[in-house]
Amino acid sequence: AQSVTQLDSQVPVFEEAPVELRCNYSSSVSVYLFWYVQYPNQGLQLLLKYLSGSTLVESINGFEAEFNKSQTSFHLRKPSVHISDTAEYFCAVRKAYSGAGSYQLTFGKGTKLSVIP
Amino acid sequence: DGGITQSPKYLFRKEGQNVTLSCEQNLNHDAMYWYRQDPGQGLRLIYYSQIVNDFQKGDIAEGYSVSREKKESFPLTVTSAQKNPTAFYLCASRTGQGRRETQYFGPGTRLLVL
Repeated sequence: AQSVTQLDSQVPVFEEAPVELRCNYSSSVSVYLFWYVQYPNQGLQLLLKYLSGSTLVESINGFEAEFNKSQTSFHLRKPSVHISDTAEYFCAVRKAYSGAGSYQLTFGKGTKLSVIP
Repeated sequence: DGGITQSPKYLFRKEGQNVTLSCEQNLNHDAMYWYRQDPGQGLRLIYYSQIVNDFQKGDIAEGYSVSREKKESFPLTVTSAQKNPTAFYLCASRTGQGRRETQYFGPGTRLLVL
């Protein structure tokens, strides 16, 4: 089984400052990793994902995440945040595809990012 | 536009009452999921369905039931056996196969107990 730990439940940060949202996972097998964003009273939107290849993945709105296998981490970063980035961010893990069946996502408990003007 | 629709946005349940949450998708996705979200708890899987007329229990299926009679629809019934139903319920569907599998989410239904 896989598990995900998001180390910070809330992260306040001033506008235009950098931010890092931390995510660590536990798994005995290879995994795929995801970050989802949830704006208030809305569903989740996929922000970015790591499947294989380059360990640094980027989203279209300036976020990036780096897969670190030795530290079992997939931290999300943005060099300069905007008010519109205020949301809850969820890290998720799924067992890597091995040719049989489909596997479920396991989510962390979320990190609320509050951007202060 | 393709997407996932959940209705209603807010739902109120009385004690001992069964209520049904609707989830419809026009994305032609085979797999669909129901999650429950509680503050500070993240998302927990209730039920999922890989194909029409088939579904499996997730981690917290007790007190819930589902059906999958059509590809587009995956309604969730919260029964009176669910003693703590107040939560935000999210429906998702999945595209792709293998490595390309990705889940997309609906806007959610907030269930409140009167």
